Amino acid sequence: GAVVSQHPSRVICKSGTSVKIECRSLDFQATTMFWYRQFPKQSLMLMATSNEGSKATYEQGVEKDKFLINHASLTLSTLTVTSAHPEDSSFYICSASPTAYGYSNQPQHFGDGTRLSIL
Amino acid sequence: AQKVTQAQTEISVVEKEDVTLDCVYETRDTTYYLFWYKQPPSGELVFLIRRNSFDEQNEISGRYSWNFQKSTSSFNFTITASQVVDSAVYFCALSPSVGATNKLIFGTGTLLAVQP
Repeated sequence: GAVVSQHPSRVICKSGTSVKIECRSLDFQATTMFWYRQFPKQSLMLMATSNEGSKATYEQGVEKDKFLINHASLTLSTLTVTSAHPEDSSFYICSASPTAYGYSNQPQHFGDGTRLSIL
Repeated sequence: AQKVTQAQTEISVVEKEDVTLDCVYETRDTTYYLFWYKQPPSGELVFLIRRNSFDEQNEISGRYSWNFQKSTSSFNFTITASQVVDSAVYFCALSPSVGATNKLIFGTGTLLAVQP
């Protein structure tokens, strides 16, 4: 079945550091991937839609200069948290589904998530 | 506006009991998908089911069953003979349209604790 790999699974770093998270579709291509954020004991909130070869679409209230998204190939999207601060500490999770001709009729498959802790 | 409501924040049952997790959704779309995902303590999301808005048939998969009622905008999930391994947070989600690569709108989740 479709597999999405997310790396790293856990990051602990100092305030002010930039952190890059990778999301890869291992056995399928995806022109669109999604990035979600989950605070402890809360729901998943969509941050942005990553579009291959074009700019990401950000949800209202999400700072695009803070959360840089790059989708340079059909199997890889990256989320970079720039100059991270303690309030950015959260669980970040990506999703993707197989896409053909810009169309997907399959459920989203999720990566295992990245737990980011900023000290 | 699209919205998913899971009114039950936490449920605790004893092993072998049946338990139903409620999900109510709001959408103005005539076509949409509904989902259930399981999130164990390790954090990954496990896909359980997808139902499109045209298919109101109830579905059973082993100990799991789902009751989709468009009239009440509900998509409830029942676990029969619960087991300790069922302990997790369960999310109901809505995808606003069928036939496109689309984002998911999640409910707030229900934490299910199954006691031995």
